[in-house]
Amino acid sequence: QKEVEQDPGPLSVPEGAIVSLNCTYSNSAFQYFMWYRQYSRKGPELLMYTYSSGNKEDGRFTAQVDKSSKYISLFIRDSQPSDSATYLCAMSPYNFNKFYFGSGTKLNVKP
Amino acid sequence: NAGVTQTPKFRVLKTGQSMTLLCAQDMNHEYMYWYRQDPGMGLRLIHYSVGEGTTAKGEVPDGYNVSRLKKQNFLLGLESAAPSQTSVYFCASSYSGGKFRSEGANVLTFGAGSRLTVL
Repeated sequence: QKEVEQDPGPLSVPEGAIVSLNCTYSNSAFQYFMWYRQYSRKGPELLMYTYSSGNKEDGRFTAQVDKSSKYISLFIRDSQPSDSATYLCAMSPYNFNKFYFGSGTKLNVKP
Repeated sequence: NAGVTQTPKFRVLKTGQSMTLLCAQDMNHEYMYWYRQDPGMGLRLIHYSVGEGTTAKGEVPDGYNVSRLKKQNFLLGLESAAPSQTSVYFCASSYSGGKFRSEGANVLTFGAGSRLTVL
């Protein structure tokens, strides 16, 4: 069993839709949770990060962490064609600088 | 502010040839990493370094060597390239300064990638 599971998609939605991307994990030691966006033929870029549980909002993006269920989510409101990319979740324990990635979900926002 | 820079961006090798990928970061990050990304496999850690002069094996280290002689540079070497090493390679770095981690300190910054083809 992989430590981080992520549905690979692809996920196709119309412009303006609310998108929900999710990851589950098995290691209760994870404390840092990140979402990366990767455009085709580019490097991953950090979109959002949260420490421990709770929600974090940044513009159209909201990250949620539910440590009791070992489940994290990224919501995109009013999705745009420019949001079309692969979204990777990543997580790390508090005292060990090693990162565990999901396999990525490919999102396509249709105009 | 350049962030993480990888060279070269593209390279084609023949089986058995050797090469080195260079990663340079200008953020004074302590930790540096080399990943490979293959379709359907996600990002897999090859080697990493927790500071100048240190290296450690990741998930898929076989066929690769690394060196961290300077804090800002992390080199990935292929001594005898094989077609199975055809991949996109990403370097990344993160900061771990001080005894206590502040929020935002424990995130990865990636380079743009190096696309390697081994024939």
